[in-house]
Amino acid sequence: QSVLTQPPSASGTPGQRVTISCSGSSSNIGSHYVSWYQQLPGTAPKLLIYRINQRPSGVPDRFSGSKSGTSASLAISGLRSEDEADYYCAAWDDSLSGWVFGGGTKLTVL
Amino acid sequence: QITLKESGPTLVKPTQTLTLTCTLSGFSLSTSGVGVGWIRQPPGKALEWLAVVYGDDDERYSPSLRSRLTITKDTSKNQVVLTLTKMDPVDTATYYCAHSPRYYDILTGYHHYYGMDVWGQGTTVIVSS
Repeated sequence: QSVLTQPPSASGTPGQRVTISCSGSSSNIGSHYVSWYQQLPGTAPKLLIYRINQRPSGVPDRFSGSKSGTSASLAISGLRSEDEADYYCAAWDDSLSGWVFGGGTKLTVL
Repeated sequence: QITLKESGPTLVKPTQTLTLTCTLSGFSLSTSGVGVGWIRQPPGKALEWLAVVYGDDDERYSPSLRSRLTITKDTSKNQVVLTLTKMDPVDTATYYCAHSPRYYDILTGYHHYYGMDVWGQGTTVIVSS
């Protein structure tokens, strides 16, 4: 059971916009920045979004993040087949004094 | 360019102690805000954060594994070592190390954690007799 809650799956067709939610509590998302990770099959996770809505160099602006209270969202616009991957949210948790991850969302591009 | 690379045994027996090494390149763990963390992923399952060590020697651990975990840094070798005792088949996973900085806000006295921005390729560990 993950501390952060994500839907196990999401899907969309090419060109669509999809969002993935991440729900936490006041000790994690409510107090700290959320980061998002993309994990393509058989590869290591890659930082996609940090500090809620900042993108590392090389990450397309089709990816965006937002936060409201104790929940966060990752939005992917102009969906492409290469976006098919697992997506994880994470945040520091003051109560646990460490990082917590969501259970991951498997994105399927139909 | 920051890179990290994990190394260690592929196969360990139940009850043994696992020792994994993360070799760093492009940065040093001698600065207080710099951190290196370990994360694992059992086959087909989600990421699980294990531990992090910062340049100021601050160490944090997953509460559920705290009694079995130790993280240490060797600044001279630019390495971070993770040990996990009493290995069990449920510890079978890919283990990743990642660059995990934090930033101190002197106005608030608060640390800001931006995320794990560079990951190693991971190393697979199988626990079996």
